[in-house]
Amino acid sequence: KQEVTQIPAALSVPEGENLVLNCSFTDSAIYNLQWFRQDPGKGLTSLLLIQSSQREQTSGRLNASLDKSSGRSTLYIAASQPGDSATYLCAAPWEDFGNEKLTFGTGTRLTIIP
Amino acid sequence: DTGVSQDPRHKITKRGQNVTFRCDPISEHNRLYWYRQTLGQGPEFLTYFQNEAQLEKSRLLSDRFSAERPKGSFSTLEIQRTEQGDSAMYLCASSLKGWNQPQHFGDGTRLSIL
Repeated sequence: KQEVTQIPAALSVPEGENLVLNCSFTDSAIYNLQWFRQDPGKGLTSLLLIQSSQREQTSGRLNASLDKSSGRSTLYIAASQPGDSATYLCAAPWEDFGNEKLTFGTGTRLTIIP
Repeated sequence: DTGVSQDPRHKITKRGQNVTFRCDPISEHNRLYWYRQTLGQGPEFLTYFQNEAQLEKSRLLSDRFSAERPKGSFSTLEIQRTEQGDSAMYLCASSLKGWNQPQHFGDGTRLSIL
């Protein structure tokens, strides 16, 4: 069974700083990992999907990396803005290869201080 | 592309009542997923469909829960004889079939049991 952990649970940084969010998973036999953003009371917005064959994926100020051998992924946010304040969740497919059910971490609640 | 739509956004009901939620996926997506999220946790997988076929159900989905996707388009999730523990956000997601297709989420239905 896949287990996903996100540490820290909460993070506050001043506006303009670069930051890294961490995600670890127990089953390295994944073929992708997805990062989401969730605003309070809202659903999830897909940010990036990084495939197992990729080491990095970029979208604007966001960069996700994936290291299957160590069971880790990171989400790098450059030049943070107050609008980046949200909960960030990572999710990996559950169980065996080819299964698309996602297992989520509990998220990191990010606050950008103006 | 209007995104995943869920209705209602909020539902308040008394314990013991039946409730039904609706999800309209992105039109060309043949896969549809239901997840449940409680406060401070990541979403947990409930069930998913490929077209009209329900391919998998989580053990979280007790006999009081039933989901349908009759024509492979919209889906409904019904909870019978609601209990306090059913209070949660119910999220729907959709995707194209394929190993590296991202799941796109709706804004969810928040269920509160009085």
